[in-house]
Amino acid sequence: SQQGEEDPQALSIQEGENATMNCSYKTSINNLQWYRQNSGRGLVHLILIRSNEREKHSGRLRVTLDTSKKSSSLLITASRAADTASYFCATLNAGGTSYGKLTFGQGTILTVHP
Amino acid sequence: DTEVTQTPKHLVMGMTNKKSLKCEQHMGHRAMYWYKQKAKKPPELMFVYSYEKLSINESVPSRFSPECPNSSLLNLHLHALQPEDSALYLCASSQVPAGYSNQPQHFGDGTRLSIL
Repeated sequence: SQQGEEDPQALSIQEGENATMNCSYKTSINNLQWYRQNSGRGLVHLILIRSNEREKHSGRLRVTLDTSKKSSSLLITASRAADTASYFCATLNAGGTSYGKLTFGQGTILTVHP
Repeated sequence: DTEVTQTPKHLVMGMTNKKSLKCEQHMGHRAMYWYKQKAKKPPELMFVYSYEKLSINESVPSRFSPECPNSSLLNLHLHALQPEDSALYLCASSQVPAGYSNQPQHFGDGTRLSIL
């Protein structure tokens, strides 16, 4: 079963605007990762944040992690039409029967209009 | 272009056929994964190979049979599949198994499988 819940399920914005996606999870994690998937393609790794980190940046991406609330957010600044894709959060679980498994959230479909 | 190569890109097969999906990486990664993804859903883990040995099987039906001939290759043998097995099958790799370090997974573009 998927432990990650993402919202919104779909997000439609204009080019140049910022896009924020949220992810919640249920169990203890080693890290949380964000992936992008263009239609008909595989997943592309965007950024990884460890459980002892609170914020991380990579280019136009900013990820935050709040382990007390078991939540994360992905901010894409100055969006471009090429950012149109599905975005998934994925947690690497810290223990139990799910140890070592990457579990994906339901995903957010982002559409950026030119 | 991805560094994980999957073939074929598309596969149509009948329920009585036997076919295989192939995945190849030359990044020296020692963990490889098979995922199944239905339309508009997230990927779901099927199998994990760590150092060429099967380490995780997510209770996948025996009509799916994985094989890791060497550290660069991963196969998924298919036999007597059902229509509900139609999906995108994704292969991924990572430097070491996911539980051992904070390393991302690298995905191929998948094989889109249709069962008639």
